[in-house]
Amino acid sequence: GEDVEQSLFLSVREGDSSVINCTYTDSSSTYLYWYKQEPGAGLQLLTYIFSNMDMKQDQRLTVLLNKKDKHLSLRIADTQTGDSAIYFCAETLYNNNDMRFGAGTRLTVKP
Amino acid sequence: SQTIHQWPATLVQPVGSPLSLECTVEGTSNPNLYWYRQAAGRGLQLLFYSVGIGQISSEVPQNLSASRPQDRQFILSSKKLLLSDSGFYLCAWNVDRINEKLFFGSGTQLSVL
Repeated sequence: GEDVEQSLFLSVREGDSSVINCTYTDSSSTYLYWYKQEPGAGLQLLTYIFSNMDMKQDQRLTVLLNKKDKHLSLRIADTQTGDSAIYFCAETLYNNNDMRFGAGTRLTVKP
Repeated sequence: SQTIHQWPATLVQPVGSPLSLECTVEGTSNPNLYWYRQAAGRGLQLLFYSVGIGQISSEVPQNLSASRPQDRQFILSSKKLLLSDSGFYLCAWNVDRINEKLFFGSGTQLSVL
């Protein structure tokens, strides 16, 4: 199975908060990332968190990291239709050259 | 500022035909370059990475190859495409191999028929 796991779909109403969850299995993860992919486009880095932090906030985005449970979440406040996209969780490991991605969560925002 | 260009955006090729996808980075020197493949409903799979001219590392055995003829140019190739090569191909770069965020190109949607 995937080393980084995400649910595949999330649907919310415009104006509500969205919470996208991710679990990872390797405790040596150092950085954890959230990328956004709009249809037919490449991945855009949204935010990232270092593993010794438990929260990071950037405007409407809040990242929460529970290192004990190896759980990462991305909360989008006041979700807009333009937030509809696929969101990828990714990790890099200590002294490892690769970035590992989850399968992506497709967020659909309904008006 | 740094930019990454990837082309073509879409490509439809018959089985058995050759492939060449190109990626170039501007505004930086000696970047690390990557090719990823994204299959429908799945995460990104790292195919190749390169830390310098002529240096290619392959992550998975496959029908594809990569080359880096110039510092900021990364090419993904195949001599004979298979149906299973269909997917969305993404080029990416960063400066530090370890623990640094990746910057992605806009992707190439390859359909092998």
